Amino acid sequence: DGGITQSPKYLFRKEGQNVTLSCEQNLNHDAMYWYRQDPGQGLRLIYYSQIVNDFQKGDIAEGYSVSREKKESFPLTVTSAQKNPTAFYLCASSPRPGLAGGFSYEQYFGPGTRLTVT
Amino acid sequence: GQNIDQPTEMTATEGAIVQINCTYQTSGFNGLFWYQQHAGEAPTFLSYNVLDGLEEKGRFSSFLSRSKGYSYLLLKELQMKDSASYLCAPRPINSGGYNKLIFGAGTRLAVHP
Repeated sequence: DGGITQSPKYLFRKEGQNVTLSCEQNLNHDAMYWYRQDPGQGLRLIYYSQIVNDFQKGDIAEGYSVSREKKESFPLTVTSAQKNPTAFYLCASSPRPGLAGGFSYEQYFGPGTRLTVT
Repeated sequence: GQNIDQPTEMTATEGAIVQINCTYQTSGFNGLFWYQQHAGEAPTFLSYNVLDGLEEKGRFSSFLSRSKGYSYLLLKELQMKDSASYLCAPRPINSGGYNKLIFGAGTRLAVHP
């Protein structure tokens, strides 16, 4: 089945350690995104990528890094520089506009990774 | 600004109708999405309005007024499984051709028997 996978669902790390969250999609989507969600807040965009080997900072990129070496994969590294890394992280993908077969540019979300740093 | 306002919480009775409002101030946009998110799960797409007016899809309908910066999601014949958060997400024109959506904090809907 086509979809987006994120692993693991729950992740625990000690403060000061870098941690990488995986995101894989087999939907053949060009664009991929990383969001962070905190209680009582909306999703905030961390990074996004429109095409392989290219990515752009979102609204809260500080303390995070990404890579896009393959179309299917968009891993997110939470570095020790991120001051408040505990959150629910969501990965999403969407087709290239114009190729979606309509006016909808909906994003498809993965199941999320809940990261706890202590 | 890009403030998105939705009520924080709403309650409704099974079988009833509920309307969830969303207002926003953006410098320009070309669409608005509604997503449903059950607790601890990923958001799932509900609707997309690119033109003014009402879009109906089964029990769910979404309305958009671009001039007023206003949208609502209408849920009919409520079921217990509709208990979830509903996220309003305008799509700014400066998205650069891709979906740089801006999400509201969401409205947590509780459906009671």
